[in-house]
Order: sequence, then structure tokens, then C-alpha cells
Amino acid sequence: EIVLTQSPGTLSLSPGERATLSCRASQSVSSNYLAWYQQKPGQAPRLLIYGASSRAIGIPDRFSGSGSGTDFTVTISRLEPEDFAVYYCQHYHSSPPTWTFGQGTKVEIK
Amino acid sequence: EVQLVESGGGVVRPGGSLRLSCAASGFTFDDYGLSWVRQAPGKGLEWVSGINWSGSNTHYAESVKGRFSISRDNAKNSLYLQMNSLGAEDTALYHCARPGVVGHPGAFDIWGQGTMVAVSS
Repeated sequence: EIVLTQSPGTLSLSPGERATLSCRASQSVSSNYLAWYQQKPGQAPRLLIYGASSRAIGIPDRFSGSGSGTDFTVTISRLEPEDFAVYYCQHYHSSPPTWTFGQGTKVEIK
Repeated sequence: EVQLVESGGGVVRPGGSLRLSCAASGFTFDDYGLSWVRQAPGKGLEWVSGINWSGSNTHYAESVKGRFSISRDNAKNSLYLQMNSLGAEDTALYHCARPGVVGHPGAFDIWGQGTMVAVSS
């Protein structure tokens, strides 16, 4: 079973700053099956990045994803007030189909 | 508008049962597999169960295997989750989610707002 470990647990930053969130897999995974989600309080998760680096529909270009193998990153180039939220990485295992989420990184206003 | 709307949550005693429903609209329902993902209060996301487009293949997290059963009715555009032998650890907000990105079967692009299940005596 693949375990995803996200770091840091909490990131305290100011609007306009750059945010770098990390997701490490316990073994090498296919980049095609690595996704990131944003969740705000009281809302359902929202797909941000799929295939490790492709932005989902409607996601602004200040969000970017990268990585391969066991280490993946999502970067927010300049934090906007609406970006303060919890971010989850997720891996899909195709056979049998199962999904695993990281424990989340909270981006909070400093 | 593409939408998933869950219902059926509530308070249930330990050992009890509950059936959740998810009504889909705005897309061709039987073109997609679907999953249930839950979130305990103040905690992270946990995938619970998935089903393919026809209902012929179902999969479960180890934490619910043997207790939960996923099904769908394509004629009614509906997804279900039958939950038996419920315990306190099953208390959570249950979302249905659609992996709908072409070529990326693992990415959930549509989520419902969820229905809350509370297991308490």
C-alpha cells in the first residue's frame, strides 16, 4: 500500500508570497496518477492538478505542479486571499482501482 | 450544470445500518465510474469505495470491506452506499465523486457537497 506524506503540516504565509507544498510517496508512482486538491472550510474538495502537472479547468496559472517518482510539489507563485485553504495530494492505483490521499497541508495567513 | 447531490445521512447507533444515495445530473451518468470519499470531522480525506460505469466491478478500502456495499442504478442516475455494522470510526461527511478527466481515471473532477453520518449511542 502506497502512503503519501505531505509537508509541512501547516504553512504560514502572507498574501503575495510563494507557497511550496510537498507530497512524498512511500514508493515510486506514476505521475499520470498523481493529483492535488484544494479544500476550503465547509466546501467539497476541488481538483487543482492532475497528472502531476496539468491544471484542472478554471484553475489559475499561479498554481503549478511538478515532480516524478516519489516526490511531487505544488507551487502557488503569489498567494491570493482565496488560496488560504487545505491542500491534499492523491494517488490512484489502477489494479485494483484504489485511491490514497495525503494527510493535507494547511496554508494559513501569517 | 454537472452536479452530484448526496442524501441519506443521519444519526445511527453503533452496529446499525444506513443507505446513502447520490443523485447525478448534467452528464451522461453511465459514461463514468464513481466513488465515495469520506472525511471525519476535522480530519483528512479517505477513499471508501468505487464502482465502474456498469456496476460490474466494485472496490473497497480495507477499513470498510465486508461492511459496506456500493451499487448504482443507471436508469435513475443514482449511486448508493449501503453501510452495515457501523462504528464510531465511520462518523464522517460522505462525498460522492466522479473521476472524469479524460485519460486520468484517478482524478476526481466533480464532487458532491456530502451527507453527514454520525454513529452515536
